[in-house]
Amino acid sequence: QQQVKQSPQSLIVQKGGISIINCAYENTAFDYFPWYQQFPGKGPALLIAIRPDVSEKKEGRFTISFNKSAKQFSLHIMDSQPGDSATYFCAASITLTDSWGKLQFGAGTQVVVTP
Amino acid sequence: SAVISQKPSRDICQRGTSLTIQCQVDSQVTMMFWYRQQPGQSLTLIATANQGSEATYESGFVIDKFPISRPNLTFSTLTVSNMSPEDSSIYLCSVDSPGGNEQFFGPGTRLTVL
Repeated sequence: QQQVKQSPQSLIVQKGGISIINCAYENTAFDYFPWYQQFPGKGPALLIAIRPDVSEKKEGRFTISFNKSAKQFSLHIMDSQPGDSATYFCAASITLTDSWGKLQFGAGTQVVVTP
Repeated sequence: SAVISQKPSRDICQRGTSLTIQCQVDSQVTMMFWYRQQPGQSLTLIATANQGSEATYESGFVIDKFPISRPNLTFSTLTVSNMSPEDSSIYLCSVDSPGGNEQFFGPGTRLTVL
């Protein structure tokens, strides 16, 4: 069964708008929550990641909000641009001493930013 | 950061045959991970490969179907054995970056089984 649930499946947003993608998890042992961006024909690339000891992390136009008690986290893409059109995956893992661990991925969200 | 290359980038194979996918990293890494991404789907972990030990497989994946080698700290192979059309997927390897900032993914191998 999928350990990380992601929604929506797809999203269309106008240029300049805000894209919001949500993820929920059950395993409270997860302690690393990355978001990956994938373009067609490419491997996923890390966008931003958060640990459960902080509630929000911002890098440029991308922000992760994390709600530990609700076991939810979300990605906000501000001022969305056509170049942001891609598939976004949330993931979670239990980190090891020397590794980020085995990533459990959400189902993915296809984001289309219209001009 | 780590630079990962995979060979082949894509292949079309006949059912019943086997294909070996190579993953090369430009730095020494302890763990390497193999994932499968079925068409239009998310990524699913197949196995974790450490140098000098047998790979650890996730539920639903077995060594006879997906044998893995890890001969050194920069290289690994995944073989997809006795292929069927259901094995048509993108196969990706990933590694933790030296210094541990993130887990990097290779470009993937797109496999089509006829």
